[in-house]
Amino acid sequence: TQLLEQSPQFLSIQEGENLTVYCNSSSVFSSLQWYRQEPGEGPVLLVTVVTGGEVKKLKRLTFQFGDARKDSSLHITAAQPGDTGLYLCAGLYNFNKFYFGSGTKLNVKP
Amino acid sequence: NAGVTQTPKFQVLKTGQSMTLQCAQDMNHNSMYWYRQDPGMGLRLIYYSASEGTTDKGEVPNGYNVSRLNKREFSLRLESAAPSQTSVYFCASSGGRIDSSPLHFGNGTRLTVT
Repeated sequence: TQLLEQSPQFLSIQEGENLTVYCNSSSVFSSLQWYRQEPGEGPVLLVTVVTGGEVKKLKRLTFQFGDARKDSSLHITAAQPGDTGLYLCAGLYNFNKFYFGSGTKLNVKP
Repeated sequence: NAGVTQTPKFQVLKTGQSMTLQCAQDMNHNSMYWYRQDPGMGLRLIYYSASEGTTDKGEVPNGYNVSRLNKREFSLRLESAAPSQTSVYFCASSGGRIDSSPLHFGNGTRLTVT
């Protein structure tokens, strides 16, 4: 079992649609990060959220950290083909270890 | 601007063979990590090193050993490879405040054990 559960596992949408990816746990995390990974490469950081209830916006991407710091969401508005990739959440546990979710594979069709 | 460098990029082993995956970072980071990535499983932490001279187990340490050779280098050893260790292995490093600093990843080592 994994500490962090991500849903959905796969998402295939048309360009221009909106989508939300969820990251849930029964554990409390000190902070939570979202990464995007392209094939053949390592994940690259999109955002870090630290405070419960925090909302961060990065152009068309909106990230939210739950009040209890056990869950997070990533919302993409008007998705574009360039958003295609694997999205991973990672929670900082015990202030020394990052645990990753299982990932959401997003495909945005033109 | 190399960042995190992993070698080799690809490796095929027979069951029972041993090998060492190498990782080096040039960002003067204190913390280094080894993850494995399998389809549908995201990344799972194998071992990590919070600073030079220390190492600790992650979620899936069985079958692996690590060495933090110096601040730059963190190697992962498979003493007797098994088909279940077929995976993509990623090394990562981070510096600064652990709760707000990103993990910087290498491009991975693709290992197949037959």
